[in-house]
Amino acid sequence: AQSVTQLGSHVSVSEGALVLLRCNYSSSVPPYLFWYVQYPNQGLQLLLKYTTGATLVKGINGFEAEFKKSETSFHLTKPSAHMSDAAEYFCAVSDNPDKLIFGTGTRLQVFP
Amino acid sequence: GAVVSQHPSRVICKSGTSVKIECRSLDFQATTMFWYRQFPKQSLMLMATSNEGSKATYEQGVEKDKFLINHASLTLSTLTVTSAHPEDSSFYICSAIPVQSTDTQYFGPGTRLTVL
Repeated sequence: AQSVTQLGSHVSVSEGALVLLRCNYSSSVPPYLFWYVQYPNQGLQLLLKYTTGATLVKGINGFEAEFKKSETSFHLTKPSAHMSDAAEYFCAVSDNPDKLIFGTGTRLQVFP
Repeated sequence: GAVVSQHPSRVICKSGTSVKIECRSLDFQATTMFWYRQFPKQSLMLMATSNEGSKATYEQGVEKDKFLINHASLTLSTLTVTSAHPEDSSFYICSAIPVQSTDTQYFGPGTRLTVL
């Protein structure tokens, strides 16, 4: 069975600081990995995904994530936080796109 | 591209009534759509997988007679919450996988259901 663990339900950073949101997964097969962002009262927007190939994946809004098989991790980073980055972030794993397993989410707050 | 819409965005209904939520893929065709439920400050839980022209596949614990799903075309799936009760109040989100790109789900903006 697959599972996702997001460490830290809340992360707070100052504007301009590094953003690091942690995601560890469990999967018995090579996983598909996703990061989605959710703004208040909205659906989910795909930030980035890893399926195969290059392990460092670049997404929208300056975010990137690195698939580390040895650490079963897919942490999300952004070098410099912006106020507009404040949202809920979900990591998800799947062995195929049909069954996404979501983590519990991390709420990112950005302070001026 | 890959835009998914939901209608309505918010609905308030009385206990015992039925509510229909539409999910449309606006610029692509989707043979598979999904319905999720999200409780406040919690993650998304998959309710069912909807395949065009066939019966939906429900996740364990989801009542198929209560949450009726119809996927009549390649761009439309509907979720009907029958005989709604206050405990059905939630945020319902649909997603769709484009026929031509099968490795990513695209999500709708969600529908907030409040049952009084």
